[in-house]
Amino acid sequence: NAGVTQTPKFRVLKTGQSMTLLCAQDMNHEYMYWYRQDPGMGLRLIHYSVGEGTTAKGEVPDGYNVSRLKKQNFLLGLESAAPSQTSVYFCASSYSRGQTQYFGPGTRLLVL
Amino acid sequence: GIQVEQSPPDLILQEGANSTLRCNFSDSVNNLQWFHQNPWGQLINLFYIPSGTKQNGRLSATTVATERYSLLYISSSQTTDSGVYFCAVDSSNFGNEKLTFGTGTRLTIIP
Repeated sequence: NAGVTQTPKFRVLKTGQSMTLLCAQDMNHEYMYWYRQDPGMGLRLIHYSVGEGTTAKGEVPDGYNVSRLKKQNFLLGLESAAPSQTSVYFCASSYSRGQTQYFGPGTRLLVL
Repeated sequence: GIQVEQSPPDLILQEGANSTLRCNFSDSVNNLQWFHQNPWGQLINLFYIPSGTKQNGRLSATTVATERYSLLYISSSQTTDSGVYFCAVDSSNFGNEKLTFGTGTRLTIIP
């Protein structure tokens, strides 16, 4: 079991560019989440999904879009990157609501 | 929304010492989880503990939901315990999943 994997590990973007972060899990989990972590802060929920084909907004959804076309994958898109989106992005998954969340290794994004 | 406060923000200890980390929250919660973020950034779930006490080796956690706090105990600290410890709570209504994280306690264990 690879658990939760994230692609890429690191990326540099220019302001206005777009990109997609991929999260994959092989634990057959229903719930998947995208968080961002900024220096000196805890994680903040961007979007989440409670099953294939579903998505919902979290605490800080503006500037991001997500898709869950397959149960094992959860994509996070930035349509027009801004310097304020420089952060470390973590994906997580859980079997169901309120259960233990398992995290990926993170993607470090720098927007210039 | 719910407020999650962790204390102390920083803790430096000698190897072998014991420590207690605290998490206070401002409203009733459906669940509470403790995480360890190691120096390489990896987040590991330590406990899922909405109430009561759990133990796993040198680590144990207690949540007193009625008084809105949780404690994480680390005994006989090792250098590998270094990192940031986060508590996270879910206070949302059914179907509206939202885990709110505290700002963490940074633990440094000195050999």
